[in-house]
Amino acid sequence: AQRVTQPEKLLSVFKGAPVELKCNYSYSGSPELFWYVQYSRQRLQLLLRHISRESIKGFTADLNKGETSFHLKKPFAQEEDSAMYYCALMIGGTSYGKLTFGQGTILTVHP
Amino acid sequence: SAVISQKPSRDICQRGTSLTIQCQVDSQVTMMFWYRQQPGQSLTLIATANQGSEATYESGFVIDKFPISRPNLTFSTLTVSNMSPEDSSIYLCSVVKADIPNEQFFGPGTRLTVL
Repeated sequence: AQRVTQPEKLLSVFKGAPVELKCNYSYSGSPELFWYVQYSRQRLQLLLRHISRESIKGFTADLNKGETSFHLKKPFAQEEDSAMYYCALMIGGTSYGKLTFGQGTILTVHP
Repeated sequence: SAVISQKPSRDICQRGTSLTIQCQVDSQVTMMFWYRQQPGQSLTLIATANQGSEATYESGFVIDKFPISRPNLTFSTLTVSNMSPEDSSIYLCSVVKADIPNEQFFGPGTRLTVL
C-alpha cells in the first residue's frame, strides 16, 4: 500500500529565511503528488501539484523519483506562510481521486 | 472552484447515538469523498460516495458503521452510527469536478465530539 511520510511535525523559521518541508512517499508505480495547505480557521486547499511544475505563493516542489521525495521549498518565508501543510499522493486506475495524506507539518514563521 | 457546505459544523453527541452529516456542493461534481481526521492525526479516507449506488469503503471502514448516501451529483450524507468516544474526529467531505480533475476541493469539516 502507498504511504506518505512527513518527518517534521513542527517547523519554525524566521521571516526571510529559506524553508523546506520534507515529504517522502512509498509507492511502486507513478503517483501524482500534491501539497495541500490549511491556514488558521480556513479549510484545506490545494497549494500545488507536481504535474503542473508551477510556483504558487513562492513555493515550489520537485518530484524526485529516485529518492521518492516531494519536498516543498520557499527561498524567503513570510509570516503569512504560517499554516499546516500536508503532502498527499494519488494513484491511478480504480483508485483515481483517492488521496493518501502525510501526517502534516505545522510551519510557523516568526517575525 | 467548488463551494462546499457541511452541516452541522460541530456537534457533541452521546455514546450509542448516531449523527448524519450533510455535504452540499454548489455545482455538479464527478466524485465525492469522505475523510476522517482524528485528533492529532492526518486525514484518512473513509469512502467514495457513488451517485445512485453503494459507497466504496476503504480498508477498516464498513457500511454498517458509516452508511453513506449520494442521491444526486451535488449532495451526500455520512452517518456515524452507534458512536463511541473513538469516533470523535473532524469529518470532511471533498469533491472533484469534471473540468478540474486534478484538484480536490474540501468542505469546512464537521467537528464531532462523542461523550
